[in-house]
Amino acid sequence: AQTVTQSQPEMSVQEAETVTLSCTYDTSENNYYLFWYKQPPSRQMILVIRQEAYKQQNATENRFSVNFQKAAKSFSLKISDSQLGDTAMYFCAFTNNAGNMLTFGGGTRLMVKP
Amino acid sequence: DAGVTQSPTHLIKTRGQQVTLRCSPKSGHDTVSWYQQALGQGPQFIFQYYEEEERQRGNFPDRFSGHQFPNYSSELNVNALLLGDSALYLCASSQTGADYGYTFGSGTRLTVV
Repeated sequence: AQTVTQSQPEMSVQEAETVTLSCTYDTSENNYYLFWYKQPPSRQMILVIRQEAYKQQNATENRFSVNFQKAAKSFSLKISDSQLGDTAMYFCAFTNNAGNMLTFGGGTRLMVKP
Repeated sequence: DAGVTQSPTHLIKTRGQQVTLRCSPKSGHDTVSWYQQALGQGPQFIFQYYEEEERQRGNFPDRFSGHQFPNYSSELNVNALLLGDSALYLCASSQTGADYGYTFGSGTRLTVV
């Protein structure tokens, strides 16, 4: 069974600064996918960024980038130039190659301060 | 292009009752998954439906059942409600064979009293 762990229950950052959210996972599979989702108070899970395990290059989406360390089973999210709208719960998630289910971490509550 | 639609948005039920939650997937998606998210926790996988059949199931009791209709919409049924079933229930749709582009709805907040 796969597990996903987010060790930071809460974090805060000043507007325009950079923050990094941590995620570790455990799996015996070689091919899998990792995700970061954002959940604002509206409750809808919004995909922030996705990483395919067989790709060595770290994924980047505008202000969001990941540091994927496959050997260490680590998948951290870096948010640059933080904005007030980034305030939300952030969840790290894993799925195997079959893609039948997502396994989520416990989440990190991020607050961006003006 | 409509995203994932869930109904109702909020629901209050009494312990022991039964409840049905509904989900319409994003246009073009044929697979529906259901998740339970307790307050302050990450979502937990309940089950996934594809071609009107349950394809995979998480660690939930048989009180949780589902159905998928020919138009790909889905229902989640929970029987004999317990106080511990109070949670946000999220539906996610995807297209089989695509690049795991899960789209989530805004969920149904179920409160069992």
